[in-house]
Amino acid sequence: NAGVTQTPKFQVLKTGQSMTLQCAQDMNHEYMSWYRQDPGMGLRLIHYSVGAGITDQGEVPNGYNVSRSTTEDFPLRLLSAAPSQTSVYFCASSITGGKLFFGEGSRLTVL
Amino acid sequence: GQNIDQPTEMTATEGAIVQINCTYQTSGFNGLFWYQQHAGEAPTFLSYNVLDGLEEKGRFSSFLSRSKGYSYLLLKELQMKDSASYLCAVLSFQKLVFGTGTRLLVSP
Repeated sequence: NAGVTQTPKFQVLKTGQSMTLQCAQDMNHEYMSWYRQDPGMGLRLIHYSVGAGITDQGEVPNGYNVSRSTTEDFPLRLLSAAPSQTSVYFCASSITGGKLFFGEGSRLTVL
Repeated sequence: GQNIDQPTEMTATEGAIVQINCTYQTSGFNGLFWYQQHAGEAPTFLSYNVLDGLEEKGRFSSFLSRSKGYSYLLLKELQMKDSASYLCAVLSFQKLVFGTGTRLLVSP
């Protein structure tokens, strides 16, 4: 049982580059979300989705784009990377939004 | 908006009991959740409260008072492996918002 799978686990980007963090879950969860975690600031919600075709903004959505074409996948796109987006990114899924199952995280460095 | 406060760091001794407090202010409330996160790992779900009162789950218990905007996580019979960060989170309008977490250090 894979649960929530995130790729890549590590990535280094240059300022201005774009990239996509992939997230897939095999638990048939309707709810999926993306967080970033920075020292001293805890987990902050970027975007979330309550089902295929539905997405909404979280606390810190600027500079990020998401789509939810299937129940299983919820990719996070960085349109033009900035050093302020250096962080650890976690994807999570849930039946309803509270009890989240997290992926292992993706560590992104923007130079 | 939401505001969630918890202590930054706590220390305790192996075998002891520790209580981690969390206070919150929110415009809508659908539940309070506690997660554990070991250094370098992803958070894992511990417990949740929707109604007032105490929920017990083995060595861990969580309490909620909605009128006071207050919750605590109680850890009994502390073990070295309990050294981790404990994250308080509030579910409001389908968004789960986290506090900054409490780092617990358990010493022998």
